[in-house]
Amino acid sequence: EDQVTQSPEALRLQEGESSSLNCSYTVSGLRGLFWYRQDPGKGPEFLFTLYSAGEEKEKERLKATLTKKESFLHITAPKPEDSATYLCAAAGFMNYGGSQGNLIFGKGTKLSVKP
Amino acid sequence: DADVTQTPRNRITKTGKRIMLECSQTKGHDRMYWYRQDPGLGLRLIYYSFDVKDINKGEISDGYSVSRQAQAKFSLSLESAIPNQTALYFCATSDFAGPTRDEQFFGPGTRLTVL
Repeated sequence: EDQVTQSPEALRLQEGESSSLNCSYTVSGLRGLFWYRQDPGKGPEFLFTLYSAGEEKEKERLKATLTKKESFLHITAPKPEDSATYLCAAAGFMNYGGSQGNLIFGKGTKLSVKP
Repeated sequence: DADVTQTPRNRITKTGKRIMLECSQTKGHDRMYWYRQDPGLGLRLIYYSFDVKDINKGEISDGYSVSRQAQAKFSLSLESAIPNQTALYFCATSDFAGPTRDEQFFGPGTRLTVL
């Protein structure tokens, strides 16, 4: 069964304390791995897409990496405004919900950054 | 203007009432989705549509129906609302192919409370 698991469920950091969020995926043929940021009560905001193992993408203090089994979201010197829930999702070439390209979401990691 | 809009943003209703949530997009995407989000359960797919003539059930379609009135409009209905349908509802859109394939763009959400 295709699935996406994120860890930890919650992470508390001090401002400037770098860390990583993990996303493990089991998908029959990966079309893409996606990272989103979600603020409370708002819609998920797209961050990155990764398509193949070894690929890396960066945006400000965030860097996403991909292996054949997992993805990491590295946060370097975080600031309080980085506090949010980070969602990981995978799209497979095989059917999910009946279609290629539909996303399987993890439950997210809630990040809190204290000043 | 936002690329994906949802109306209403908040709705309180009573058990047994019929409710319609509406979604419009200006991204020109063919694919549209409806999700619900509950604490601890993450995002779950209710229905998705590839075009006006193609509508498919997702993971949790019981108690819901949809209508794709045009490429840009996708509505979700609760025929007879019940309290366990209280949740945050999101509409999303995506392309199937091209440089941004499968990247889903989300609306701001509708907070629905069923009393």
